[in-house]
Amino acid sequence: EPEVTQTPSHQVTQMGQEVILRCVPISNHLYFYWYRQILGQKVEFLVSFYNNEISEKSEIFDDQFSVERPDGSNFTLKIRSTKLEDSAMYFCASSEQGTNVLTFGAGSRLTVL
Amino acid sequence: AQSVTQPDIHITVSEGASLELRCNYSYGATPYLFWYVQSPGQGLQLLLKYFSGDTLVQGIKGFEAEFKRSQSSFNLRKPSVHWSDAAEYFCAVGAREAGNMLTFGGGTRLMVKP
Repeated sequence: EPEVTQTPSHQVTQMGQEVILRCVPISNHLYFYWYRQILGQKVEFLVSFYNNEISEKSEIFDDQFSVERPDGSNFTLKIRSTKLEDSAMYFCASSEQGTNVLTFGAGSRLTVL
Repeated sequence: AQSVTQPDIHITVSEGASLELRCNYSYGATPYLFWYVQSPGQGLQLLLKYFSGDTLVQGIKGFEAEFKRSQSSFNLRKPSVHWSDAAEYFCAVGAREAGNMLTFGGGTRLMVKP
């Protein structure tokens, strides 16, 4: 069964550093998403991406965050100048055109010290 | 604004017993409703979804859910729980079209007693 792959599974960084989380969506999917889950809290939408541009973003997704599809297979989330409160599990997801049925990856756990 | 409430944070049931996980939503248009399951160390796996038609939907692993518009609910049920069903369950609501955000509930952690 096709799956969404995320790397790294766990990253530890110092406050103020930049991190890049990587995702390989399902190959025939055209929509890509990032969600995050702070420990003990809800899964929250960050951003959706289609046709090389952001289609929707939440209030959380401010100038500290950016997304990119650098090539035909990867989808990345960059977090600049990380803060303690950025510590969370970040989930990538993808969906086919015409449907909001998401397939999620296993997540990347970010720990900011 | 859209929102999802899962009133039960933790539920413990005995193996073989029936299960119902509650979900209430608030959404300004026709909702597209989902249940996802998350096992430890795993991502979110789709159990089932509802958009229109029959209000009782069947999913994977023997789960079903019933959409009740009058109660703004989408409760998940299973007639006989297995130990492998122990996990966290999330209800979510959103639009049908791709690219739109899903709003998740806080999750219900299910524990299964032998």
